Amino acid sequence: DTAVSQTPKYLVTQMGNDKSIKCEQNLGHDTMYWYKQDSKKFLKIMFSYNNKELIINETVPNRFSPKSPDKAHLNLHINSLELGDSAVYFCASSQDRTSDYSETQYFGPGTRLLVL
Amino acid sequence: AQSVTQLGSHVSVSEGALVLLRCNYSSSVPPYLFWYVQYPNQGLQLLLKYTSAATLVKGINGFEAEFKKSETSFHLTKPSAHMSDAAEYFCAVSGAGGTSYGKLTFGQGTILTVHP
Repeated sequence: DTAVSQTPKYLVTQMGNDKSIKCEQNLGHDTMYWYKQDSKKFLKIMFSYNNKELIINETVPNRFSPKSPDKAHLNLHINSLELGDSAVYFCASSQDRTSDYSETQYFGPGTRLLVL
Repeated sequence: AQSVTQLGSHVSVSEGALVLLRCNYSSSVPPYLFWYVQYPNQGLQLLLKYTSAATLVKGINGFEAEFKKSETSFHLTKPSAHMSDAAEYFCAVSGAGGTSYGKLTFGQGTILTVHP
């Protein structure tokens, strides 16, 4: 009964490959997010979707493409992986944050991506 | 624009001692403020949040934080540290308005070590 789940937990791949990370939430939330945590543990938002609509798109290379097939899922596809993409990627969800910005975000366990 | 500064990347205390983790924020709109905890190899868990009600906010595991507008601070405290409190703590700010769609901006994190 995990609230926010991510697969895979670990991902090791070669430079130039394309990979996807999946995220699912069973909390009935409307808004989902992707964050990147770098080697210094700095967390930065990448994308946010509300009811399958993109609402936040930070300055992220267009090799990163989020896709939300329904409001319970937000997947992250990364093309042409680079060494600098190595990081921990966290998915999160919250109730609708397009109106109430105090809503708590619930985080998944993270996907540890290592690009060789 | 919003930002968070956490003073001290590492804090070390003895078991039973006071825990004080510092957070200062900058926000062009009234802020919502959050403290999250991250245990090794896990996602982030909300400890507490300030949403413009009471300035002294109580959270889980005996933690509390006080919002001080004049000092633009939201420091996290716990009267008596426990070994299980050892983790990394993140302060985050969300604008209560504007076009940020409630985007969370995180500080750089503070690692808390608790000695027996």
